[in-house]
Amino acid sequence: QSVLTQPPSVSGAPGQRVTISCTGSSSNIGAGYDVHWYQQLPGTAPKLLIYANSNRPSGVPDRFSGSKSGTSASLAITGLQAEDEADYYCQSYDSSLSAWVFGGGTKLTVL
Amino acid sequence: QLQLQESGPGLVKPSETLSLLCTVSGGSITSGSYYWGWIRQPPGKGLEWIGSIYSSGSTNYSPSLKSRVTISVDTSKNQFSLNLSSVTAADTAVYYCARRPEIVEVPAATTPGAFDIWGQGTMLTVSS
Repeated sequence: QSVLTQPPSVSGAPGQRVTISCTGSSSNIGAGYDVHWYQQLPGTAPKLLIYANSNRPSGVPDRFSGSKSGTSASLAITGLQAEDEADYYCQSYDSSLSAWVFGGGTKLTVL
Repeated sequence: QLQLQESGPGLVKPSETLSLLCTVSGGSITSGSYYWGWIRQPPGKGLEWIGSIYSSGSTNYSPSLKSRVTISVDTSKNQFSLNLSSVTAADTAVYYCARRPEIVEVPAATTPGAFDIWGQGTMLTVSS
């Protein structure tokens, strides 16, 4: 049971928009800690996709965007492409645990 | 370009101590203000933060693993290491090392960074 809750899977057709939610609590996202998002392509290491809720590292397409509100955060992917098929993880800090915590991950399938 | 590379034995027996190394290349482990961390991923499962070390040597560990974990840094070799004692099959996972900036600048603020550079990972199996 992860501290941050993500849907196990989402799917969309090429060109569509999908969103992935990340739900936390008052000791992590709700306490004001930032949310980061990672993309993990099959058989590879995670790659930073969004940092501090809504900021993209250099090289990440602007099709990827993040937002945060209350105890939740969301990752949106527009103009879905086959290469976006991957696992996506959110991450934040939890003050009750004094630990960095990850969501359980969401598998994105491009139909 | 900074790169991280994990290395380890691949196979460890139950109750033994797991030892992994992360070698940093393309830059000094003491340059800038960064935490150097370990994250693991059991087969088919999600990511779990194990712990981090600052270049000064200060550490913080996951509460669930704290009693068994030691992370240390060897600045002369530009490496940091993970020791995990009394391993069981539940410790079987891909182990990643990663860098986390102490702070990053975002519009109108600074904030703790995310794990921005990762190693490729090393598989560690616990089995007799």
